[in-house]
Amino acid sequence: AQSVSQHNHHVILSEAASLELGCNYSYGGTVNLFWYVQYPGQHLQLLLKYFSGDPLVKGIKGFEAEFIKSKFSFNLRKPSVQWSDTAEYFCAVTLLGTYKYIFGTGTRLKVLA
Amino acid sequence: EADIYQTPRYLVIGTGKKITLECSQTMGHDKMYWYQQDPGMELHLIHYSYGVNSTEKGDLSSESTVSRIRTEHFPLTLESARPSHTSQYLCASSDNKAGQYFGPGTRLTVT
Repeated sequence: AQSVSQHNHHVILSEAASLELGCNYSYGGTVNLFWYVQYPGQHLQLLLKYFSGDPLVKGIKGFEAEFIKSKFSFNLRKPSVQWSDTAEYFCAVTLLGTYKYIFGTGTRLKVLA
Repeated sequence: EADIYQTPRYLVIGTGKKITLECSQTMGHDKMYWYQQDPGMELHLIHYSYGVNSTEKGDLSSESTVSRIRTEHFPLTLESARPSHTSQYLCASSDNKAGQYFGPGTRLTVT
């Protein structure tokens, strides 16, 4: 079955630490890839997306993600996290030509001030 | 301002009642979605629509129904609420370019 895996369920970091959250998917075809963030008490919002082109994608608030096709991965990174990055992060995938989004289970990030 | 709206934001209702959760978007998106999300858990797709008069069931079995009579409106109805329906319901819309936009959610409690 098609799936999206986020292996880190809970991550705790100190401010200024570097962040990498893993995301792997199981589709064999061409995909569109997304990272969403949900801050406490707020809507889910799009952090960044990959449709095609440069596999290194830059998003809002200093986040970036790299699409590695051979590894079926789309990991999220930030060089230096801030307390305000405390949130839940969801990876999502759509298969080209479809519009159903498959979400991962989410990673809860807590940044200690 | 273009946005996506959900009402009510919070609802507590007794078992057996019929309820409709409203979702409207002003972005002109063709595609709309309903997800169910329990606290700290993943999103489960329960219904989606690719346009007016088009609705499909998602991956999570649900006793709810939806309709899409107008592009901007995608209500979800539970004919007979049960405690197992207690959850957060998220509405989203999308175009082909920018990913999904989510509403604030409706937190439903069935007693």
